[in-house]
Amino acid sequence: DTGVSQDPRHKITKRGQNVTFRCDPISEHNRLYWYRQTLGQGPEFLTYFQNEAQLEKSRLLSDRFSAERPKGSFSTLEIQRTEQGDSAMYLCASSRGGGGIQETQYFGPGTRLLVL
Amino acid sequence: AQKVTQAQTEISVVEKEDVTLDCVYETRDTTYYLFWYKQPPSGELVFLIRRNSFDEQNEISGRYSWNFQKSTSSFNFTITASQVVDSAVYFCATPNFGNEKLTFGTGTRLTIIP
Repeated sequence: DTGVSQDPRHKITKRGQNVTFRCDPISEHNRLYWYRQTLGQGPEFLTYFQNEAQLEKSRLLSDRFSAERPKGSFSTLEIQRTEQGDSAMYLCASSRGGGGIQETQYFGPGTRLLVL
Repeated sequence: AQKVTQAQTEISVVEKEDVTLDCVYETRDTTYYLFWYKQPPSGELVFLIRRNSFDEQNEISGRYSWNFQKSTSSFNFTITASQVVDSAVYFCATPNFGNEKLTFGTGTRLTIIP
């Protein structure tokens, strides 16, 4: 069973630039989650998808952030006009979810973003 | 809203010692789940265990064991005969019922000294 993959693993950008991250979930997992983790903290929820529908967005997700999951497969997270405060690890997770049972979320290796 | 407290920020033990990581949770859900994840230096969160609120039996998996006590809202994790490979940050988490978004604690950094 192939795990969750994320690309790129590391990204260094200059303030004001746009960046896009990709997440490929475990096949047949219909739920996909994005989390952000800053140094010394636990991951914080950003948004999640049930198939292609984005069902919830955290208040952490400002207007500069947008996420998509076309066709209910891979997902992209774009940050526009990056700020130094966006520097963090961005984690993607997927689960079977949606059947009324709280399924386990399996995480990818993360994308570490540094905004200079 | 869910809340998870991991009061131990950092723990260091000598290899082969036993170590217990504490987790205290708060939830308004009558049915809920609890998780433990391990985050090694590589950064990937590795799933360790999922426990539902109906099952208060302790669980053992090799050198790992978990003690779930609803009366004290705790779900503690014990590593027996610790090894250097156990060095990592360990997170306790609980999901919101329905959408499953996880609320994590701040984690406990465990260092096993050879």
